[in-house]
Amino acid sequence: QKEVEQDPGPLSVPEGAIVSLNCTYSNSAFQYFMWYRQYSRKGPELLMYTYSSGNKEDGRFTAQVDKSSKYISLFIRDSQPSDSATYLCAMSDGATNKLIFGTGTLLAVQP
Amino acid sequence: ETGVTQTPRHLVMGMTNKKSLKCEQHLGHNAMYWYKQSAKKPLELMFVYSLEERVENNSVPSRFSPECPNSSHLFLHLHTLQPEDSALYLCASSPKLADTQYFGPGTRLTVL
Repeated sequence: QKEVEQDPGPLSVPEGAIVSLNCTYSNSAFQYFMWYRQYSRKGPELLMYTYSSGNKEDGRFTAQVDKSSKYISLFIRDSQPSDSATYLCAMSDGATNKLIFGTGTLLAVQP
Repeated sequence: ETGVTQTPRHLVMGMTNKKSLKCEQHLGHNAMYWYKQSAKKPLELMFVYSLEERVENNSVPSRFSPECPNSSHLFLHLHTLQPEDSALYLCASSPKLADTQYFGPGTRLTVL
């Protein structure tokens, strides 16, 4: 079993839709959770950072962590064509040197 | 320059060539990382440096050789690579180990 599972997509939605991106994980020691956005031919860009369980909101983006289910989500409201990118989840236990990444979900927002 | 920069952005090399990738971070961070990103695979951590000391080497073939002369610069020296080494090579930095990482734009490497 992979440490982090993420549906690669592609996920295609119309402009203005609410997008839900998800990752599951197996290591209960993970406590730091990140979402990165990666545009084509660019490096990943940190989008959201959360610690432990709960929700965090930043503009149109909401990150949600459910540690009891080992499940994290990123919601994008009022999606825009400029949101079209690959979204990578990443997580860490805070003790090792590693971030463990998902494979990324390719999102296409159609105008 | 701000953030994390990488040069060159694109590199095509033969299997017998020697080349180097360069990374520079302008964030005052103490830790730097090399990752390999291949299609449909998770990011693969290659090397980790903290305060210029290598703290992790994830079973990377010896044809990849890292160098960290100071906390702002990181190099990846390449020698006798294989076609399967073609990928996007990403550099990242973080304030300290196990902290949130900030990535550069990557070097797209093609090995012929």
